[in-house]
Amino acid sequence: EAAVTQSPRNKVTVTGGNVTLSCRQTNSHNYMYWYRQDTGHGLRLIHYSYGAGNLQIGDVPDGYKATRTTQEDFFLLLELASPSQTSLYFCASSDTGDEQYFGPGTRLTVL
Amino acid sequence: GQQVKQSSPSLTVQEGGISILNCDYENDMFDYFAWYKKYPDNSPTLLISVRSNVDKREDGRLTVFLNKSGKHFSLHITASQPEDTAVYLCAAGIGANTGKLTFGHGTILRVHP
Repeated sequence: EAAVTQSPRNKVTVTGGNVTLSCRQTNSHNYMYWYRQDTGHGLRLIHYSYGAGNLQIGDVPDGYKATRTTQEDFFLLLELASPSQTSLYFCASSDTGDEQYFGPGTRLTVL
Repeated sequence: GQQVKQSSPSLTVQEGGISILNCDYENDMFDYFAWYKKYPDNSPTLLISVRSNVDKREDGRLTVFLNKSGKHFSLHITASQPEDTAVYLCAAGIGANTGKLTFGHGTILRVHP
């Protein structure tokens, strides 16, 4: 079974702060994803990647950057955090792009 | 607009009954359909999926029905149990290896003993 880990698990920052969320998967999957989950909106795709150095824009990319440094590591960057970015963030990976394996989530609060 | 829609935010079923969860979609290019299960404070996990070349797939107590002309798919859970209580997310994707799924907002299923 795919192992996807996220760090930190919880993060509190202030408006305008700089935040980096980290994700690592250890099964050599090609695809990695960043989602946010909000009440009333379900899971929304922010950015995704199909390999090291690749980045694809998701459905709600505004205010977020992402970088895939290696096959294993995918980072989500919030350079000027806003309260609207308070959310539960999930990372996921997939071999083919269909079945996705999710990490445990990072709860981000922007004050 | 919302491409994948779960019109029922919640569903309550008695233990032993059948739970029916529904999902509608807009994009007729979707050809991969899946259901994920999520417990509170846990991450989503894949339950069952189907491609558009079949209209039904069974796996134990779970059955996915696909109605492409109606742009609708559903998950039936027979002999529902209290441990089935969770959020169920439907998802759809286009083509093999596209890498992208679109999720519905989720339906909370509560199974009462």
